[in-house]
Amino acid sequence: DGGITQSPKYLFRKEGQNVTLSCEQNLNHDAMYWYRQDPGQGLRLIYYSQIVNDFQKGDIAEGYSVSREKKESFPLTVTSAQKNPTAFYLCASSEREYYEQYFGPGTRLTVT
Amino acid sequence: QKEVEQNSGPLSVPEGAIASLNCTYSDRGSQSFFWYRQYSGKSPELIMSIYSNGDKEDGRFTAQLNKASQYVSLLIRDSQPSDSATYLCAVYILEGNEKLTFGTGTRLTIIP
Repeated sequence: DGGITQSPKYLFRKEGQNVTLSCEQNLNHDAMYWYRQDPGQGLRLIYYSQIVNDFQKGDIAEGYSVSREKKESFPLTVTSAQKNPTAFYLCASSEREYYEQYFGPGTRLTVT
Repeated sequence: QKEVEQNSGPLSVPEGAIASLNCTYSDRGSQSFFWYRQYSGKSPELIMSIYSNGDKEDGRFTAQLNKASQYVSLLIRDSQPSDSATYLCAVYILEGNEKLTFGTGTRLTIIP
């Protein structure tokens, strides 16, 4: 089955801890994206990558970091510098930039 | 002015009727338009994409695009209770940092 997987589904962390969210796709898509969704707000772009070993900041990159060492994988680290990390994190991929984006199931992160 | 605007709703439609969802966008140069459906607690699911003026039909769904007036709409015919969800409009905004920009979504409730 082709698709995008994210793990874990739910994640709980204490303030001050870094946490890494996993995103894997087997669609052979070039581009991958990380979004954050907060209640009542639209999706906001954190980081995106069009090709392996290259990525760009989105609108709200502060306090986050990413890597793209393999085409299939685009992990997101939420660092302790992110002031309000509690949110629903969504990974997406597209065949190329400007094509349709498909989403993974998401990771709900709660930081207390 | 917000880049992609949607009426947040909630929009209530009787079962079997036509649900009409609207979206306006700010960038006259935009070329790609998408509708996503998001059930509560789940990730967005792509249901329609449209690239040229006019109508595009897929089953019970019809997307309508009018680039001159900068709006895109989604019609759902023969509405079913399973259509109850939040519908997100997304547009590739080309001004400045090209990215897929999402509206905040319209919550649709189909009344049995």
